[in-house]
Amino acid sequence: DQQVKQNSPSLSVQEGRISILNCDYTNSMFDYFLWYKKYPAEGPTFLISISSIKDKNEDGRFTVFLNKSAKHLSLHIVPSQPGDSAVYFCAASYSGSARQLTFGSGTQLTVLP
Amino acid sequence: KAGVTQTPRYLIKTRGQQVTLSCSPISGHRSVSWYQQTPGQGLQFLFEYFSETQRNKGNFPGRFSGRQFSNSRSEMNVSTLELGDSALYLCASSPDPGGSWNVIQYFGAGTRLSVL
Repeated sequence: DQQVKQNSPSLSVQEGRISILNCDYTNSMFDYFLWYKKYPAEGPTFLISISSIKDKNEDGRFTVFLNKSAKHLSLHIVPSQPGDSAVYFCAASYSGSARQLTFGSGTQLTVLP
Repeated sequence: KAGVTQTPRYLIKTRGQQVTLSCSPISGHRSVSWYQQTPGQGLQFLFEYFSETQRNKGNFPGRFSGRQFSNSRSEMNVSTLELGDSALYLCASSPDPGGSWNVIQYFGAGTRLSVL
């Protein structure tokens, strides 16, 4: 049972445009969500997170939106840069198991120059 | 601050052998978690250690075990290796427990295990 789903395995975007990566979850107990970026031969790098008490969190070019009623979150990257090309994972956790992250399957983002 | 360090980076073993992987967390981080990444199953949680105690365990067979030392360094062990154990094993550390902000985990580069 996949509790965190990233339905788009890949996404291509032109440099300078907006990248929108989506993630859906099924477990209503999840109360904290994170996005990680991963380059080949490296471990995932933390990007941005959001608590379920918020619906938006911004950090520079990265914004995460959370829609609890739809059990959906998205990561917006504006403007997209070629260096953003990587695999992006969303992850979720809940208070009762705070350091167990449940990951989605990842979305390969390619930013075209 | 140095990041999470995992050794070795690459390992080749044969079926039936056992293997031990090592992880040094970020200085001051007391929680260490292990994940397995495979093409078919993605990133899956193995277990988490804090103060030398396993606090949380994922859905993996007993062949997968771990431990944590008093300096927070951690090892994981896989016994009786199977072909399906070929994967990237990732270690992650996080700061003091408590508070949702401490959910953030910082990952090492991983150990690539190939079982032949």
